[in-house]
This record gives sequence, C-alpha cells and structure tokens, in this order.
Amino acid sequence: SAVISQKPSRDICQRGTSLTIQCQVDSQVTMMFWYRQQPGQSLTLIATANQGSEATYESGFVIDKFPISRPNLTFSTLTVSNMSPEDSSIYLCSVVGSSGGFQETQYFGPGTRLLVL
Amino acid sequence: SQQGEEDPQALSIQEGENATMNCSYKTSINNLQWYRQNSGRGLVHLILIRSNEREKHSGRLRVTLDTSKKSSSLLITASRAADTASYFCATYTSGTYKYIFGTGTRLKVLA
Repeated sequence: SAVISQKPSRDICQRGTSLTIQCQVDSQVTMMFWYRQQPGQSLTLIATANQGSEATYESGFVIDKFPISRPNLTFSTLTVSNMSPEDSSIYLCSVVGSSGGFQETQYFGPGTRLLVL
Repeated sequence: SQQGEEDPQALSIQEGENATMNCSYKTSINNLQWYRQNSGRGLVHLILIRSNEREKHSGRLRVTLDTSKKSSSLLITASRAADTASYFCATYTSGTYKYIFGTGTRLKVLA
C-alpha cells in the first residue's frame, strides 16, 4: 500500500488569490491523480499527472486554472488559481499501485479542504 | 464525468441490519473498487473486484459484479453505527488510465 500526505489539510482563502496543494507519496509511483469533491458530491477527476510529461486534464478543467507540477516520482502539486467561492471543495490526490501489469488499488491522500470567501 | 450511478442515494437502517448498495456503469471495465468516506475525509479503499470475478468477500463486506448488466453491489452485513459513511464505486478501464467515480450512497446506521 501507499501512504500519501497532503498539505495544507485545510485553508480559508480570499477570492482572487491562489493556493498550492502539495502531495507526497512514500514510494515511487508513475501516475498520480488530482480530484475535486464539491460539497455533498462525488469525486471528479481534474487531471492525471505523470512524471516527465505534461498533465492530462479532463473536460472542464484547464491548465491556467489548475496548473500541476510533477517534479519526481513521489511528489506533485496542484495550484488553484484566481479562486472564487465556486472553488470551495475538497481536493484529493491519489496514486495507483500495480501488480502483475494490472491497475490495482487506488490510494488517496487525506484531502485538502478549501473554503474561498 | 460520472461513469457510475449508485442507488440508493441515501440509506438509513438500524444497527444489526444488512445494507445493500448498487452501482451501475456504462462501459466495459477492467476492475471496480468500492470506497468509504467518513464525513468529508479521505477515501478508504474497501475492496477491488476484477472483471473476471463475480463475487468477493472481505470481513462483513460482500461485493458482486455482473459485467453483462454492468452493475455491482456492495453488501454490508450486521451493520454498525461506525459504518455510517458515504460509499462510492469507482471503475477502471484499460487504456484510459483513470478511475471514474459513481455518485455515491450515503449510509446512516442508527444505534
């Protein structure tokens, strides 16, 4: 299994500002994922972050709004830029373990709870 | 985008009863996973079932998968108040390199 930590665990921010969320994994992983969970909702995938390449964004999410860095195999950051109250959500990073060539269990960090005023 | 639809959206039962949640999805998958989330915290992985498996057990959990109907169910037996949480299914399809989550079921177990 993988142990994932995120910083900060929560934050309250003013609209128009930006927040960078860090995700640290205790082992090297190829693929990392960033999700958003709006209040009372399910998880929506923002982007997939692979080391050494540009992040792949899902429909409705753009790099200017959610720039992602992936400098090595254990670390990634997600920035929420020019925030508005609609960005208030829980942001979660995750990684996938692999076994025998199969995609296996997806592990999640504890999440970053963001409130934008 | 949501691949899975879960029902019921909310479920309230008495302690000791069984709870069943269902997940339906739209495309072929390689595996399906169930997760629990307590009150806005991180997700806890419960069980993974592969597309060539029909049933798996883990403690009080039983998961079934019917690929012909594109559906899965999660059964929690002898529920406890501590099982109160939201439960999500997530599907993985080879080549997409991503997991897609269902809408979730909010379970409340009354003591």
